[in-house]
Amino acid sequence: AQSVSQHNHHVILSEAASLELGCNYSYGGTVNLFWYVQYPGQHLQLLLKYFSGDPLVKGIKGFEAEFIKSKFSFNLRKPSVQWSDTAEYFCAVTRYSSASKIIFGSGTRLSIRP
Amino acid sequence: GAGVSQSPSNKVTEKGKDVELRCDPISGHTALYWYRQSLGQGLEFLIYFQGNSAPDKSGLPSDRFSAERTGGSVSTLTIQRTQQEDSAVYLCASSSDSSNQPQHFGDGTRLSIL
Repeated sequence: AQSVSQHNHHVILSEAASLELGCNYSYGGTVNLFWYVQYPGQHLQLLLKYFSGDPLVKGIKGFEAEFIKSKFSFNLRKPSVQWSDTAEYFCAVTRYSSASKIIFGSGTRLSIRP
Repeated sequence: GAGVSQSPSNKVTEKGKDVELRCDPISGHTALYWYRQSLGQGLEFLIYFQGNSAPDKSGLPSDRFSAERTGGSVSTLTIQRTQQEDSAVYLCASSSDSSNQPQHFGDGTRLSIL
């Protein structure tokens, strides 16, 4: 069965530090990949997505993620974090076919020290 | 346009009572998901509806949990004989296609079992 692993459960950084959150998935076929973010007190929202093409995907608020097929990874990055990036981040994957349910990772809580 | 709407936003009930949680997806969305998010935990998949296909119930934690989706639109999640461990935020999400479109999440129902 497909699974998504986010090995960093809680990351604490200072403002202006660089960020990389790990995401690995288990499915060997073609996949669609997502990162969602949940800011405190808000609902989950899409940060960025990868379906095909350029494996380096840029999302909102300066975030980007790189799909590395050989490593089954889709790590999220941001060169310089801000206090407002404090949130929980979820990686998710679906198989590249219709009627394929989305599987979420367990999430990574990001805390930014001002 | 309206997003995914969930009701009630908060529900407090006594142990042993039955509860019903409602989700109104975005109009036209064929895929609908229920998740559970416990304090400090990630997203736990519960059930997935896709069009007229049989739902994927593989995430339901026990036979006290059930869900239905009437007319391919509104969905109701029912928890019978609630237990304290059922306390969580129950999230609903919908998408226009389950494989390559992002999910749109509701604000959730915060369920507290006394």
